[in-house]
Amino acid sequence: AQSVTQLDSQVPVFEEAPVELRCNYSSSVSVYLFWYVQYPNQGLQLLLKYLSGSTLVESINGFEAEFNKSQTSFHLRKPSVHISDTAEYFCAGVSGGYQKVTFGTGTKLQVIP
Amino acid sequence: GAGVSQSPSNKVTEKGKDVELRCDPISGHTALYWYRQSLGQGLEFLIYFQGNSAPDKSGLPSDRFSAERTGGSVSTLTIQRTQQEDSAVYLCASSSRVSSGANVLTFGAGSRLTVL
Repeated sequence: AQSVTQLDSQVPVFEEAPVELRCNYSSSVSVYLFWYVQYPNQGLQLLLKYLSGSTLVESINGFEAEFNKSQTSFHLRKPSVHISDTAEYFCAGVSGGYQKVTFGTGTKLQVIP
Repeated sequence: GAGVSQSPSNKVTEKGKDVELRCDPISGHTALYWYRQSLGQGLEFLIYFQGNSAPDKSGLPSDRFSAERTGGSVSTLTIQRTQQEDSAVYLCASSSRVSSGANVLTFGAGSRLTVL
């Protein structure tokens, strides 16, 4: 069974509109959660991470994600998207005692001018 | 090296041939991961190394797939008797163990395999 679930395969949104990309994790996944981004024709790179402490984490380019234990979610949000945010976004979590990192199936964010 | 290096970047092979994909992780990173990225399938976990040992091989799709890591550094993913369904981008990532135990992965650019 998938430990990390991304409910939306594609999300189109107009430029300057807000966006939320959804991610849910199973209870088997440790409380280390990540969002990675893959821009067109580029490799995967870390966007932000939740390890402990404050449940709200932010990236340098305006994205934020909130760890919600009661809803087992780690949704990614941005209040106003830019064309340059067009990319595929992957949620990931750590499971297993030996730090196996499991990824969701990805969400393609398409920002429309 | 400065980043994770993978070779070849592109490989086209005929069905039934064997292929080897190489990953050179960041110097000092003890953990190394292989993933497969297929269209519409997201990132599929293949295998994870801690040092030279592989605690989890559960993601290898069949016994045609194998991987090894030597000297705690370079890893090779070997696919024997390739099939068309093996066509994908094979991604390697490495990480260092941080005190919190969480793994932040640094990915290579990937090896795109096309089986004709």
